[in-house]
Amino acid sequence: DQQVKQNSPSLSVQEGRISILNCDYTNSMFDYFLWYKKYPAEGPTFLISISSIKDKNEDGRFTVFLNKSAKHLSLHIVPSQPGDSAVYFCAARGEAGGTSYGKLTFGQGTILTVHP
Amino acid sequence: DGGITQSPKYLFRKEGQNVTLSCEQNLNHDAMYWYRQDPGQGLRLIYYSQIVNDFQKGDIAEGYSVSREKKESFPLTVTSAQKNPTAFYLCASSTYRGSGELFFGEGSRLTVL
Repeated sequence: DQQVKQNSPSLSVQEGRISILNCDYTNSMFDYFLWYKKYPAEGPTFLISISSIKDKNEDGRFTVFLNKSAKHLSLHIVPSQPGDSAVYFCAARGEAGGTSYGKLTFGQGTILTVHP
Repeated sequence: DGGITQSPKYLFRKEGQNVTLSCEQNLNHDAMYWYRQDPGQGLRLIYYSQIVNDFQKGDIAEGYSVSREKKESFPLTVTSAQKNPTAFYLCASSTYRGSGELFFGEGSRLTVL
């Protein structure tokens, strides 16, 4: 049972435009959502996170939006740069006190390509 | 420099052999994790440990074993019972403060010949 899903395997955008990466989840008990960026043959690096009690978090060019009623989150990158080309994973953390606390459940990833 | 070190980066194994992947962290994190990455399947949790001398199975623990004798170290053994061991293995650690983000190592690529 895939609790965190990224339904778009890939996304291609032009440099300077907005990139929107989407993620859906099924478990309403997740308390934090995170986005990671990964280059081939390297470990993922943390980008940005959002608490389940917020609906938006912004950090420079990166903004994450959370829609709890729809169980959907998205990562916006504005403006997109060629160096943003990588695989992006969304992840969700089990709530404190639960047996899954601390564990991150990852989506399948979306390959973002930003063309110059 | 604080971080997570995985070794070896590349490893080749013959069928039937056990191999052990090393993971060391100097971030003073309590929790450590092993994930496996396969194309199109994202990151799947193999084992995790929230405290020394304790660990739990993740979603795909069959054919793997771990130990957590020291806070800094969380080695993963890929046994001959693992049916499809060829993959990219990632070790991570975290605290429980804030969003509890995971810090990942550079990964180990295991290829079974």
